[in-house]
Amino acid sequence: QVQLVQSGGGVVQPGRSLRLSCAASGFTYNAFAMHWVRQPPGKGLEWVAVISYDGRNDYYADSVKGRFTISRDNSKDTLFLEMNNLRPEDTAVYYCARIALTYRLAGAFDMWGQGTMVSVSS
Amino acid sequence: VLLTQSPGTLSLSPGETATLSCRASQRISSTFLAWYQQKAGQAPRLLIYGASSRATGIPDRFSGTGSGTDFTLTISRLEPEDFAVYYCHQYSSSNTFGQGTKVEIK
Repeated sequence: QVQLVQSGGGVVQPGRSLRLSCAASGFTYNAFAMHWVRQPPGKGLEWVAVISYDGRNDYYADSVKGRFTISRDNSKDTLFLEMNNLRPEDTAVYYCARIALTYRLAGAFDMWGQGTMVSVSS
Repeated sequence: VLLTQSPGTLSLSPGETATLSCRASQRISSTFLAWYQQKAGQAPRLLIYGASSRATGIPDRFSGTGSGTDFTLTISRLEPEDFAVYYCHQYSSSNTFGQGTKVEIK
């Protein structure tokens, strides 16, 4: 079955860290760049980060640069988002997403994970 | 690139036509503009990519047009399942989303 299944998330205090995972199945994972997109409660979508198909290149939104790290394990078809020094404004549902074209960084997101909630609160 | 969607909310009846606008702060190639539908508690679903190409399984009542800075999503003959929030997305220069348009039942 072609899908992205997310895990991780939860409630964390400001300044702490959290790691999200996104397990891919049913497609050639190592041919696709992967992204993280987040959505604060009741608000719109915000792009967070992208990693190339081979893991050699990654880019971040200014709001998370220096605090979040995107990575992937192509041997396990899994994507990660390491979030450090979390802030209350990082509270959101986080989605992993695949772009529609192979071997490119940019594209429309044709497959999404189910989303996982991250709440940053003291 | 900032994307501004209008209107914020569209109140329509089933069977009517919805016209949603997405305006970019600078010119973008139509190749790099997409539209998504999101229902409450669900992940977004890709509807249109490349400004006018329907994604797999998307009915032909959904259509996208536009170029430069102005893009439009049209939903003809609204079905009950079409009432949702719609986002445009540009991937020409990094990635940005519009703030969304809610299509609600009148």
